[in-house]
Formats: sequence, C-alpha cells, structure tokens
Amino acid sequence: QQPVQSPQAVILREGEDAVINCSSSKALYSVHWYRQKHGEAPVFLMILLKGGEQKGHEKISASFNEKKQQSSLYLTASQLSYSGTYFCGTANTGNQFYFGTGTSLTVIP
Amino acid sequence: ETGVTQTPRHLVMGMTNKKSLKCEQHLGHNAMYWYKQSAKKPLELMFVYNFKEQTENNSVPSRFSPECPNSSHLFLHLHTLQPEDSALYLCASSPRRGWDEQYFGPGTRLTVT
Repeated sequence: QQPVQSPQAVILREGEDAVINCSSSKALYSVHWYRQKHGEAPVFLMILLKGGEQKGHEKISASFNEKKQQSSLYLTASQLSYSGTYFCGTANTGNQFYFGTGTSLTVIP
Repeated sequence: ETGVTQTPRHLVMGMTNKKSLKCEQHLGHNAMYWYKQSAKKPLELMFVYNFKEQTENNSVPSRFSPECPNSSHLFLHLHTLQPEDSALYLCASSPRRGWDEQYFGPGTRLTVT
C-alpha cells in the first residue's frame, strides 16, 4: 500500500533537470510532495488533488495522473538548495495515507 | 515560538525506563500526528488526532501510548521499549484531518539501550 518512488537516488549538476516518480497500487484521492534535508524535518512542497491538476512552486512542479495512480515531481534548472530527500505521500480512496520510499537528490556544483 | 516544536530533541533511555515526548503546535491547526522515521525506511504514520480525538492507530505496539489533551499539544508516552524502537520520532500538524498539508516538528532522536 506504500507508494513506490523512482529513482531511489539521483545526482545532478547545478542547472540540470530531474524527474521523480511516485506510483501507487491503490486508487488515489491526493498526492503530497515533501522535501527533507539532512538532519531537518520534512517540509511540505505541494498537494495535487484528484482531477489531474498540475501545480507549480518556483521551479518545482508536479503532475498527477489519477488513472495510472502516479505522480511526477519536476525540478528544473536545479540549484544546490534542492538537495535532500523527496517523499511523496498518497491519500487513497480508502482514506489511508502512506509516505513513499523516498528519493535522495544531490545537486553538485 | 512558531510552527511545531518538539522536546526533547534527543533522548537515550533503557528498556525499563518510562519517558514522554512532547509536541506543541502554534499554528491553530486541528489535527496532529506522530510518525516514526527509521534509517532507510519510509515515514511510518503511528497515530492521528483530530480535535483531540484519536482517529488512527496504525497497529502500534501498546508500549507507545499517545495523549492529546487539546488541539495544540500531543504527547507520546514510552515504556518498556525495545532497541528496534530507536528512531527519529516526528510530530506534525495540519489544518484538518483530511490529509491537508502537514507541518512537521524537528523530531526527537530516540535511542533505546
């Protein structure tokens, strides 16, 4: 029931783009994205609700394909500050919430 | 104080000890959560409270006992823990229980010896 994220880890140079995927086996109501820097608490990035609406936050945006029960997080022109572990969280139609396995993102100069 | 605070930040306890973790949110939210974060494992939801009422208990062992006296405070009482309970315990709050955006505290790093 826990969503699966891919890739598990990615290393980027500053300015490069990345895509992180989140996939669930359950029908979803919403998908949440969080970023956690080392030694810090997770920080909320955005929520996507059922309806396939794409959202954006500075150079970070996301999409939600409810038919495929998948969400993707897009990071464009990455900055050093983007480094951290990204988690998706999924609320399924059974009213259960699970965080994904996490994707470690490292941006190097 | 702003946001979500947790005390203590670090705790070392023996298996026979009793201790409590405290969480306080200053955001006026109505829902509060306890999560466990172990190395190389995803965040595990433990308990959810909405308007002081427990709405979720994800099969958490009884050696973990939550308490929510009001919408701003959440406690996690610990007793006779096991070494595998060593982890980062995170508290979070959200405006409502319907899986709104969650705001996390800094966590308590617990080590059971």
